[in-house]
Amino acid sequence: EIVLTQSPGTLSLSPGERATLSCRASQSVGSSYLAWYQQKPGQAPRLLIYAASSRATGIPDRFSGSGSGTDFTLTISRLEPEDFAVYYCQQYGGSPWTFGQGTKVEIK
Amino acid sequence: EVQLVESGGGLVQPGGSLRLSCSASGFTFSSYAMHWVRQAPGKGLEYVSGISSNGGNTYYADSVKGRFTISRDNSKNTLYLQMSSLRAEDTAVYYCVNSGSYSRPFFDYWGQGTLVTVSS
Repeated sequence: EIVLTQSPGTLSLSPGERATLSCRASQSVGSSYLAWYQQKPGQAPRLLIYAASSRATGIPDRFSGSGSGTDFTLTISRLEPEDFAVYYCQQYGGSPWTFGQGTKVEIK
Repeated sequence: EVQLVESGGGLVQPGGSLRLSCSASGFTFSSYAMHWVRQAPGKGLEYVSGISSNGGNTYYADSVKGRFTISRDNSKNTLYLQMSSLRAEDTAVYYCVNSGSYSRPFFDYWGQGTLVTVSS
């Protein structure tokens, strides 16, 4: 099983700042079989990024993904108030499909 | 607009059974793989089970293998999860999700979830 480790656990930032979230896999997930999701309290997760760097439909361009193999990054260029949430990465390079434990982006 | 609406959750005793349903609309259901992902209270996301677009292939996480059965009825645009021998650790919100690929799934759309509580 591929274990995904996200860091940091919590990121305290102010609106307008840049957020950089990391997702590291215990083994390669293939070229780019990694997705990112955003979850707000009481809501279902929402797909942000797939194939490591492709934005899902309707996702603002302040969200970007990068990386390959075992190291991936989600960047939010300028935090908007609605971006404060928990973010999960998910790999689909090898079954079982697994998620990271999440990074909470909170208002500083 | 894609809609996935889960139902069937509730309180069940350990060892009991429950069947979840997911009604889909807004996309060609028979062309998409479907999955269940769960989230225990205050915890992260866990993949549970998936089924290919025609129902010919299924996959289960080790934690539910032999106890849960996924199925679909493409004529009714509905996904099911039959859960038996339920344990306290199965307590979670269960989300119905779709994906364009069964063998390389990322999850495009999510339902609002249905809560399953296993407790005596």
